[in-house]
Amino acid sequence: GAVVSQHPSRVICKSGTSVKIECRSLDFQATTMFWYRQFPKQSLMLMATSNEGSKATYEQGVEKDKFLINHASLTLSTLTVTSAHPEDSSFYICSAPRSFAFFGQGTRLTVV
Amino acid sequence: GIQVEQSPPDLILQEGANSTLRCNFSDSVNNLQWFHQNPWGQLINLFYIPSGTKQNGRLSATTVATERYSLLYISSSQTTDSGVYFCAVNYGGSQGNLIFGKGTKLSVKP
Repeated sequence: GAVVSQHPSRVICKSGTSVKIECRSLDFQATTMFWYRQFPKQSLMLMATSNEGSKATYEQGVEKDKFLINHASLTLSTLTVTSAHPEDSSFYICSAPRSFAFFGQGTRLTVV
Repeated sequence: GIQVEQSPPDLILQEGANSTLRCNFSDSVNNLQWFHQNPWGQLINLFYIPSGTKQNGRLSATTVATERYSLLYISSSQTTDSGVYFCAVNYGGSQGNLIFGKGTKLSVKP
């Protein structure tokens, strides 16, 4: 069964609004989780590393004020896309390591 | 940073055929995983294989770490095998995040 759960799986929002995506490790604690983004027909690119109890680490070119990450507990990380615009439309997916990487189901975000 | 290259980029097979997908990486790795991304986007773990050979049903994988490549074998392919196959690596000094190749898009025709 799934060991990492991500919600929602699909969301459509209006331009200018914010969207929160949750990533949960189901039966293990994850002090570190990772957020990736995938544009259509492209590979997955790491956006940021979520660290429980400290600030997230963002990859070069990723706006930390637009993509807010909170690692609230040892089993939950959230990604909030603030003031979303159509160019933020993408597939967002999280992972948590447990000997090796397990991924959530992903969230397809469409900003209209 | 480390480079991960997958080949071929696209592959079309007739149902029942066998195939080999390749992943080359430019530096030593701690971890190598193969994934199948289904049409809904979900990444399915196929293998965790930093070295050696593993088999799971019709799928098998081999990683030769000293030569910096991994192979994914699909035998007796089925239409449900269609999708994108990704190789991803984790290397020394990183926090456990994965670097993905660009994937191989497999289409299996009935």
